[in-house]
Amino acid sequence: SQQGEEDPQALSIQEGENATMNCSYKTSINNLQWYRQNSGRGLVHLILIRSNEREKHSGRLRVTLDTSKKSSSLLITASRAADTASYFCATLPAGSARQLTFGSGTQLTVLP
Amino acid sequence: EPEVTQTPSHQVTQMGQEVILRCVPISNHLYFYWYRQILGQKVEFLVSFYNNEISEKSEIFDDQFSVERPDGSNFTLKIRSTKLEDSAMYFCASSEARTTYGYTFGSGTRLTVV
Repeated sequence: SQQGEEDPQALSIQEGENATMNCSYKTSINNLQWYRQNSGRGLVHLILIRSNEREKHSGRLRVTLDTSKKSSSLLITASRAADTASYFCATLPAGSARQLTFGSGTQLTVLP
Repeated sequence: EPEVTQTPSHQVTQMGQEVILRCVPISNHLYFYWYRQILGQKVEFLVSFYNNEISEKSEIFDDQFSVERPDGSNFTLKIRSTKLEDSAMYFCASSEARTTYGYTFGSGTRLTVV
């Protein structure tokens, strides 16, 4: 798989349930970021986790990072219909490179 | 909350024409980027810009593309001699620092080449 691949590609849940999305990557990273994109709109930065961090919280979001497995997960708790969007992980490689690389995204649909 | 502003939101151009996509990054940000997203595909890195010069570019960013920061506030992407396959959503982004903060993206310019 390519750098920053999300799993599943699509996820449909009921309002109030938790949503978990996973991301795998291949190379060493400086940090990993999660973004959200509503249909046809720009990308909104949600959370950044550094390579020396294992877990981070922001409101209803919880991100974990396992550098030994080169994977991350994004958990959205108590989902709302307004959380419906595409969610992307993006990795910034270790070293001097400045190229943030995005995955293919998970399309989350939260049903009211 | 500060925003990255992109204009126009939608541009239609004929194949072979030149287009300029404009962006106003957040004023205290130091790093600027262009990304593109072809419909149904991944968001792809084009170029990063720091200290008034290109710091990194992808294979996509060939001689057809150029970037400029003409006046200290605007950041432009010029695409010369557009092709059908240049049709995409183009996103500008800026960040305070390379590694510490996430990027702030604009809402994008949808470029349609006909």
